[in-house]
Amino acid sequence: ILNVEQSPQSLHVQEGDSTNFTCSFPSSNFYALHWYRWETAKSPEALFVMTLNGDEKKKGRISATLNTKEGYSYLYIKGSQPEDSATYLCAFIPTTDSWGKFQFGAGTQVVVTP
Amino acid sequence: DAGVIQSPRHEVTEMGQEVTLRCKPISGHDYLFWYRQTMMRGLELLIYFNNNVPIDDSGMPEDRFSAKMPNASFSTLKIQPSEPRDSAVYFCASSIPPPAGGRETQYFGPGTRLLVL
Repeated sequence: ILNVEQSPQSLHVQEGDSTNFTCSFPSSNFYALHWYRWETAKSPEALFVMTLNGDEKKKGRISATLNTKEGYSYLYIKGSQPEDSATYLCAFIPTTDSWGKFQFGAGTQVVVTP
Repeated sequence: DAGVIQSPRHEVTEMGQEVTLRCKPISGHDYLFWYRQTMMRGLELLIYFNNNVPIDDSGMPEDRFSAKMPNASFSTLKIQPSEPRDSAVYFCASSIPPPAGGRETQYFGPGTRLLVL
């Protein structure tokens, strides 16, 4: 059973379309949330570290928002390109003491078709 | 830097055999993590080290699994004896110390894909 839930499990997006998906986590405690991008046959690569309620981070066409009070983070991809195809993982850290113990979601698999 | 290095990249073995997975963290990273990725459980933390000392091994599934870090640049994860249900991708990750509150990113290696027949 995963405390961190990601939805949807998978997405098929047409090239040029924008999309978004969710990472939900328990709102009782919050320390940090990480987003990773994981391409097939490669290792997860860090995208963002979210630490404050209301945080918004952006890297190119990808951005993320954070709501710690309600326990969710959104990842947005604007104008999807085939190279955006990957699984996007979020990792939740509830407290300072647990900083090394990332709680990963199962991921959202994004497939961008030309 | 070459990043986190893992070997072998693929391992196929028979049930009952000993399996040793290896990891070299990024130089200067004091924290090393071992993860297992399966379809059923996703990416789960097995154990992590700080300055070569195991800090939390609560994720290690059972006594057949053991991990060591004899020095700052090398760690092993051993499974003895291996079973078919151990088949998974095993990732090693490393991180710098948390000077500013422990929000540092973990850097992942390429993983070892293990198949136990």
